[in-house]
Amino acid sequence: GAGVSQSPRYKVAKRGQDVALRCDPISGHVSLFWYQQALGQGPEFLTYFQNEAQLDKSGLPSDRFFAERPEGSVSTLKIQRTQQEDSAVYLCASSLAASRFFGPGTRLTVL
Amino acid sequence: DQQVKQNSPSLSVQEGRISILNCDYTNSMFDYFLWYKKYPAEGPTFLISISSIKDKNEDGRFTVFLNKSAKHLSLHIVPSQPGDSAVYFCAASVGSNFGNEKLTFGTGTRLTIIP
Repeated sequence: GAGVSQSPRYKVAKRGQDVALRCDPISGHVSLFWYQQALGQGPEFLTYFQNEAQLDKSGLPSDRFFAERPEGSVSTLKIQRTQQEDSAVYLCASSLAASRFFGPGTRLTVL
Repeated sequence: DQQVKQNSPSLSVQEGRISILNCDYTNSMFDYFLWYKKYPAEGPTFLISISSIKDKNEDGRFTVFLNKSAKHLSLHIVPSQPGDSAVYFCAASVGSNFGNEKLTFGTGTRLTIIP
């Protein structure tokens, strides 16, 4: 497809489990963002990549959150030892120049 | 500290009438503003934007107005159509829109168009 894709679309984890969320950006897009959207809230910035370089990780809420984009394309957001407050929709966006495109998100539920 | 605020969680408008969605911001460093539309189970899609050097930007049925002194922007949709029913997010960034700026979002307004 031509858009940003994310997998899985839904993930249920038990508290304490590790999860990995994948983002496939639009081919050729240099910039990639991760956002977290809690229920009833707007998306909140987590981290930003330019190609494979993670230039801003100021929004990651704790050291349990880790993101990578090793080849400057696919990105993975990893959450270790999940907590109930991690339950949210995780959105990925990619951009080339001024046009940003969001993926459909992964809904993470931590029980 | 909510830097971008959308104080109306929901709005209902008759089909064919004007929909006005409001947004306020507190960070005077913001100089680029965007509106996104979101359907359930989909990611936000870009609707319209405005730079702080302008006070109005129009694109078809959508117009965004910016009042910098009041730190307020609004999105006007006219005429409203049933397909406009969605959640609308206001977002802001520091720096010109080169696509690599992080966005600060409001909490959204759910717009319902009544046929």
